[in-house]
Amino acid sequence: ETGVTQSPTHLIKTRGQQVTLRCSSQSGHNTVSWYQQALGQGPQFIFQYYREEENGRGNFPPRFSGLQFPNYSSELNVNALELDDSALYLCASSRGNQPQHFGDGTRLSIL
Amino acid sequence: GESVGLHLPTLSVQEGDNSIINCAYSNSASDYFIWYKQESGKGPQFIIDIRSNMDKRQGQRVTVLLNKTVKHLSLQIAATQPGDSAVYFCAESHPRDSNYQLIWGAGTKLIIKP
Repeated sequence: ETGVTQSPTHLIKTRGQQVTLRCSSQSGHNTVSWYQQALGQGPQFIFQYYREEENGRGNFPPRFSGLQFPNYSSELNVNALELDDSALYLCASSRGNQPQHFGDGTRLSIL
Repeated sequence: GESVGLHLPTLSVQEGDNSIINCAYSNSASDYFIWYKQESGKGPQFIIDIRSNMDKRQGQRVTVLLNKTVKHLSLQIAATQPGDSAVYFCAESHPRDSNYQLIWGAGTKLIIKP
């Protein structure tokens, strides 16, 4: 059984740029959730995708957007990057009301 | 406001002893609770979960206790091992969030003393 995989593992961008992070869900999972984790803090829910539609959103501005593809993989896009966007971005996949399983994240640094 | 928090940011335990990590939640409407373990440089790893219709659930070397009266959650780890060193997070979910959006606490760092 293949777990959740995220790419890239690390990324460095400058303010104002745009970034796309990718996630492949665990086999059999049809729901993908994205979280932002600042250093030393718990993850913050960004949004969730189910059947290629956004299925809930946390307190994040519209410049955070996403996609889910027919194979359930997903992308997180962030436009107009700000210094505060520096964080670990985590993807989790799940099916129904079963526990979410996480990838190891993408570490995004904004200079 | 709604929050999930932990009483202690760091917990030091002797190898072989039992560990107890505590968590308080403020929303009495939460119906699902879950514990994750996060090792340095890795994503959170599922440990155990519990729904509000239960007050105890056991796994391999772990037990979660839920006290809805005082809105308290705890994770007990039996015979703590060096591999248990990590940051432990509790998270909750509300029934209004049919997508099971998780609200996370700040985490407790568990340190194992040899």
